[in-house]
Amino acid sequence: SQTIHQWPATLVQPVGSPLSLECTVEGTSNPNLYWYRQAAGRGLQLLFYSVGIGQISSEVPQNLSASRPQDRQFILSSKKLLLSDSGFYLCAWDRSSYEQYFGPGTRLTVT
Amino acid sequence: AQSVTQLGSHVSVSEGALVLLRCNYSSSVPPYLFWYVQYPNQGLQLLLKYTTGATLVKGINGFEAEFKKSETSFHLTKPSAHMSDAAEYFCAVSDRGIKAAGNKLTFGGGTRVLVKP
Repeated sequence: SQTIHQWPATLVQPVGSPLSLECTVEGTSNPNLYWYRQAAGRGLQLLFYSVGIGQISSEVPQNLSASRPQDRQFILSSKKLLLSDSGFYLCAWDRSSYEQYFGPGTRLTVT
Repeated sequence: AQSVTQLGSHVSVSEGALVLLRCNYSSSVPPYLFWYVQYPNQGLQLLLKYTTGATLVKGINGFEAEFKKSETSFHLTKPSAHMSDAAEYFCAVSDRGIKAAGNKLTFGGGTRVLVKP
């Protein structure tokens, strides 16, 4: 069966510090991968998606970037965090059946 | 382009009462529709989905939803609420993109369900 991992689970970072969140999927190959953000009181916002190694599409311009160095690894990064980057970050995957499967999430607080 | 509207950001129900969460969508293609549930500080879990075929779909935890094309709706119901149903629920529509282009889901704003004993 497939599983998706995210780490860290929680993170508190000062403004201006760098960020790296990691997502890995097990039990499947060549998945589509997605990064979403949930800000307090708001719905899910798609940030990036990837259909293959090194292929990244950005949905909204922002202070973040994404990379996919391996087939089942998806990384969300920032060089300098802003207060507005705080939120709950969710990674998801799908393959061919349209429904997406979500990881447990990372709670990021920028102070 | 797709959009999803969930009526009511908060719903309060008594334990044992009917749960009804409303979702209306717009889609430029025949829709694939989903309901997800999110418990506090957790990821989203798929409750059920509609792609094609039977318009009444059953999911996990006793939930079901009915696709009504004429009303562009996909409301979620459960006959008898349980305390464990307290969570946030999201309706979503897929753009049915081919795998090579990604499959983007558009989510509604979510409905938080409170279950009173």
